Order: sequence, then structure tokens, then C-alpha cells
Amino acid sequence: AQSVTQLDSQVPVFEEAPVELRCNYSSSVSVYLFWYVQYPNQGLQLLLKYLSGSTLVESINGFEAEFNKSQTSFHLRKPSVHISDTAEYFCAVSAETSGSRLTFGEGTQLTVNP
Amino acid sequence: DVKVTQSSRYLVKRTGEKVFLECVQDMDHENMFWYRQDPGLGLRLIYFSYDVKMKEKGDIPEGYSVSREKKERFSLILESASTNQTSMYLCASSLGPLGYTFGSGTRLTVV
Repeated sequence: AQSVTQLDSQVPVFEEAPVELRCNYSSSVSVYLFWYVQYPNQGLQLLLKYLSGSTLVESINGFEAEFNKSQTSFHLRKPSVHISDTAEYFCAVSAETSGSRLTFGEGTQLTVNP
Repeated sequence: DVKVTQSSRYLVKRTGEKVFLECVQDMDHENMFWYRQDPGLGLRLIYFSYDVKMKEKGDIPEGYSVSREKKERFSLILESASTNQTSMYLCASSLGPLGYTFGSGTRLTVV
């Protein structure tokens, strides 16, 4: 079985500051990794994913995440945040052998203040 | 764009009522999932289905059942609603292990 731990439940930052949202996972088999974002009163949207290949993956809105197998981590980073990045972020893991089933972390609320 | 539609955005039901939450996807995805989302707990898997008439229990199936008579529709049933089932319910579909497409969610309140 897989598990995911998001190390911070709330992350407040000022606009244009850098941010890192931390995610650690546990699995005995190879995994796929995902970050989802949920804006207020909306469903979850896929932000980025790691399936194989380069360990650094990027999204279209400036976020990036790095798969670190030795530390079993998949931290999400952005060098300069905007007010519009305020949302809840979920890290998720899927074992390569488990089909499509995703296991989610507890979520991190990112609040960007002016 | 793949679309996953949940029939109700907000729902208020009484304790003991039978409740149906409907989910429809329009992209011929084999896999469909029901999660509930609670503050501090993230998303927890209730049931999922990899094919028509097929269902598997997730991590918290107690008090719930599901139905998948057609590929595009996956229904979650609360046989006898209780106040501890007050939550946000999220439906998702996927094609293989490439990530989900979620619906907008149904916020259910049981009084």
C-alpha cells in the first residue's frame, strides 16, 4: 500500500515570495506522482505529474516539482507566487501496479497575501 | 476537454434518508472513483470501478454503495444517511494511470 504525507497544513506567504510545499510518500513499488490544485468552491485540477524520465517536472503556470527517489519526496516549488495561486494543493501517489487508483495527502492550504 | 459532471452542487438531506449522488463523464473512461473530502483528512477513497457492473471497495466503504450500469455513469448511494456523512463528495474518472479528471463536487449536509 502507498501513503502520502504533506508536511504543512497551511503555508502563508507574501506575493512575489518563493514557496515550497512539501510532500513525502511511502511505497514498496515504483510510483507515479501528482500534484493537484483546488481553487475555492471548485473541484481538483491536475497541476503536474511525474511518470518517468526527467525527475524535474513543470506546470504551465510556473510551478515545478522534483522527484527524489532516495528521499521519497515530491516537493512543489514556485520562485514567485501571485495572489491567484491561493488554493489548496494535494499531493497524490499511484503505484505502477495498482492501475489508476490514487492515494492523496491531507492537503496544504497556500495563502498568498499582498 | 474531458468533462465530469456531478448532478448536484449542494444537497441537504435528513437522517435516515436514502441519498443518490450521480456522476457522468463524457470521454469513455473505463475508471471512475468516488472520494469524500474532509478538512485535515484530504481525499479518502470510498469506491471505485474499472468497468461496467464492476465495483471495488476503497478505504472507507462503510455506509455507502455504488452502481455502474453504464460506462459513463457512476452513482454513489447512501443507504441511510447519517450526520457523519456530511461532507464534500468528489467524483473522478481516468484513462489508465495518467491522473484523474474531477467533477466540481457535491457538498452534502445531513441534518
